[in-house]
Amino acid sequence: QLVLTQSPSASASLGASVKLTCTLSSDHSIYAIAWHQQQPEKGPRYLMKLNSDGSHTRGDGIPDRFSGSSSGAERYLTISSLQSEDEADYYCQTWGTDIQVFGGGTKLTVL
Amino acid sequence: EVQLVESGGGLVKPGGSLRLSCAASGFTFSGHSINWVRKAPGKGLEWVSSISSGSSYIYYADSVKGRFTSSRDNAKSSAYLQMNSLRAEDTAVYYCARVSQGSTSCYVVDYWGQGTLVTVSS
Repeated sequence: QLVLTQSPSASASLGASVKLTCTLSSDHSIYAIAWHQQQPEKGPRYLMKLNSDGSHTRGDGIPDRFSGSSSGAERYLTISSLQSEDEADYYCQTWGTDIQVFGGGTKLTVL
Repeated sequence: EVQLVESGGGLVKPGGSLRLSCAASGFTFSGHSINWVRKAPGKGLEWVSSISSGSSYIYYADSVKGRFTSSRDNAKSSAYLQMNSLRAEDTAVYYCARVSQGSTSCYVVDYWGQGTLVTVSS
């Protein structure tokens, strides 16, 4: 079964960096994923597509403070130079032939 | 500028029906698959349905299969979600989302709408 697992919460200080993790189910460790951000009271926003080799393509207008990397079944989203507006929920997404799957989301608090 | 605007949400009683619409602009609608994704209060994002660019491939989450129907009208740059036999657990904000390609219903979602709230309650 295709599953994405995320930690429910994370926190980091203003101006610092944070690395969020999304883990693919073991049989699907080579799958690509996408990262999305959802700020409070807003629709989600696509951040990037992240491949198993760590290569990634950011969405339109996404600053290079947002970057991705991969290791085995883990997919990472690193946000550097944290700003207050980065406080949001972050979701990973992957897909099969006939299914879309979202992780449970990580709520990022900027201290 | 890519825009997706959902409409049709509201309050409906359990067992009732509702039809959501998604009006698209700023891109070639017929070249992209469309997904419906929902977010229930206090929960995360949940995929609901996917429809390919030519409506050949339509898929549903198990939680809505047999009750919801996706469709689209490329001439009107619009997608629709017909929701029947609604339950309290269908209460959520429903988002229309563009998939980055059209031949595959399920792939990278690269644009989202702002959502429309559906409340199922007596």
